Amino acid sequence: SQQGEEDPQALSIQEGENATMNCSYKTSINNLQWYRQNSGRGLVHLILIRSNEREKHSGRLRVTLDTSKKSSSLLITASRAADTASYFCATALFLIQGAQKLVFGQGTRLTINP
Amino acid sequence: GAVVSQHPSWVICKSGTSVKIECRSLDFQATTMFWYRQFPKQSLMLMATSNEGSKATYEQGVEKDKFLINHASLTLSTLTVTSAHPEDSSFYICSAIGISSGSSYNEQFFGPGTRLTVL
Repeated sequence: SQQGEEDPQALSIQEGENATMNCSYKTSINNLQWYRQNSGRGLVHLILIRSNEREKHSGRLRVTLDTSKKSSSLLITASRAADTASYFCATALFLIQGAQKLVFGQGTRLTINP
Repeated sequence: GAVVSQHPSWVICKSGTSVKIECRSLDFQATTMFWYRQFPKQSLMLMATSNEGSKATYEQGVEKDKFLINHASLTLSTLTVTSAHPEDSSFYICSAIGISSGSSYNEQFFGPGTRLTVL
């Protein structure tokens, strides 16, 4: 079953505006990751935030994590047309072998209008 | 580094035939590979986890006899969709974790996906 719920499911904004996407999850996690997927393509890893971190930045991306509310947000500042894609959060659950199993949220389809 | 490839990138087949999809780690040894399925406008659903040299672990609701997974080497895993039917049409994505992948936290590196269309 899906671990994460994301909202909004779809977001359409003008180029230059900021885009905020939210993700909620159900169980305790080791880390939470955000991915981007262009239509019909594979996933691109954007950023990882560990359970003991509250905020992380990478370029125009800002991720927050609130473990008490089991939620995370991804903020893209100064959006560009090239940011148009689907964005997924994924929570990492450890397998016995030490590898991580990712459980993905439903995703947010972001459209940046020129 | 840490590149994962999939072959083919797309395939169209007739109902009842079997289709094999390959997932390769090109520049690292993949100790664990994952197979996901993604229906249009939906999220990725984990199908199974495979470790080199051992049987795959399937997620609940995924038929192991329908989706055969072989992880015979540290650089190759295959997913065979047996007796494919139109409802199996989907986007299949693999990912890999491994040795010397350059990641410090067991990052999964994703392949570009394979689009399967069953007529």
